[in-house]
Parts: sequence; C-alpha cells; structure tokens
Amino acid sequence: DVKVTQSSRYLVKRTGEKVFLECVQDMDHENMFWYRQDPGLGLRLIYFSYDVKMKEKGDIPEGYSVSREKKERFSLILESASTNQTSMYLCASTPGQGNGYTFGSGTRLTVV
Amino acid sequence: QKEVEQNSGPLSVPEGAIASLNCTYSDRGSQSFFWYRQYSGKSPELIMFIYSNGDKEDGRFTAQLNKASQYVSLLIRDSQPSDSATYLCAVNIRAGANNLFFGTGTRLTVIP
Repeated sequence: DVKVTQSSRYLVKRTGEKVFLECVQDMDHENMFWYRQDPGLGLRLIYFSYDVKMKEKGDIPEGYSVSREKKERFSLILESASTNQTSMYLCASTPGQGNGYTFGSGTRLTVV
Repeated sequence: QKEVEQNSGPLSVPEGAIASLNCTYSDRGSQSFFWYRQYSGKSPELIMFIYSNGDKEDGRFTAQLNKASQYVSLLIRDSQPSDSATYLCAVNIRAGANNLFFGTGTRLTVIP
C-alpha cells in the first residue's frame, strides 16, 4: 500500500514564525497536494504539484508557499504564521487522473 | 453553486439499517467519483470509486452514479456503529486535471 507520511502529528507555533510541514510518499506518485480542513468548510486546496520543481496554486494559496525538490517530498511553508492558519493540514498523493488520493495522517497546527 | 454538494447531516440510522448518502456535482463532464470515510480526528480514507453509470458493490457498500442527473450516492447496508464517521464525496471535475473537488461531508451516526 502507498504510504504518505507527514512529519508531525501536532504542532504549536507562535505568530510570525516560519513553519515547515513535510510530506513524503513512497510510491513514486507524480501528483501531490496540500489541503487544509476546517469545520464547516471542508477540504480546501492550498497548492499542488504535478512534477518535481513544479507547483500550482489552489483555492487558498495566500500566506503559503511550497517546495518540491524531489519527487517523493512536498513541503508546505507558512512564511509568517498567523492565528487564522490554525487548522488541520492534510497532504495527499495520486498517480494520476482517475485515481483517488491517498492522504497522510494530517498535521494539526495551532498558531498562538 | 459549489462544484460538489452534500447534505451535511447529521444523518442517524439504527444499527442494521441502510444508510444512504447523497452527492451532486456541477460539471456534466466529470469522469471519476470517489467516496472517502473520515473518522473524527483522522484523515480521509478511500472506500469506493465509480466511473460508469449504474451501481458498484463492494461488501456492504454500494456506490451509485447517475451522470444524467449529476448525482452520486453511497449506500451502506447493515450499518454498524463502526460506520459512524463523516463521508466525503470527491469528484474529478475537469478533464485532464488530477485534482479532486470535495464536498463538505455528511456526518453519519449509527445508533446501537
């Protein structure tokens, strides 16, 4: 089974800090995604990537950036954390169109 | 209109009953449809996918797709308390794109 690993299950950061969320998948998937999930709002796409060094903005990219230097790793960066970025962050990967996503276990980030 | 819409619930059914979860989508050209189950505090896991009109059965789960009505549903037969979770509908909206659009989910409670 494909495995998507997110480096931290829980994180607490201070306002203004630069935050790195790491995601690694082990099945050579081309496509990787970062979502945040908030009660009542569902899953919202932040950024996605179809290939190494390639990135595309999702629906809510403001305040975030991403890095994909290697195929298996997709990092989400909060340039200057704010309290409204407190959320559950989910990474996912898929081999391509027509296939479902496999999600990581999620990172619950609290910004204080 | 949202790309993917679900009744947020909550939906409560007695143990052993059939639970019916519904989803509508906006783009008539959508090709791939997925159902995810998400337990509280956990990440979504893929339980069913369907590409063609009609029914697809897997154990106690049946996915139903009606492209003419832009409607996809999930039936859970012989519902168990362990089925209590939020169910997310996801649709591959745009041809050639790999990203899925998610509904906000329906919370199901199976009452023992």
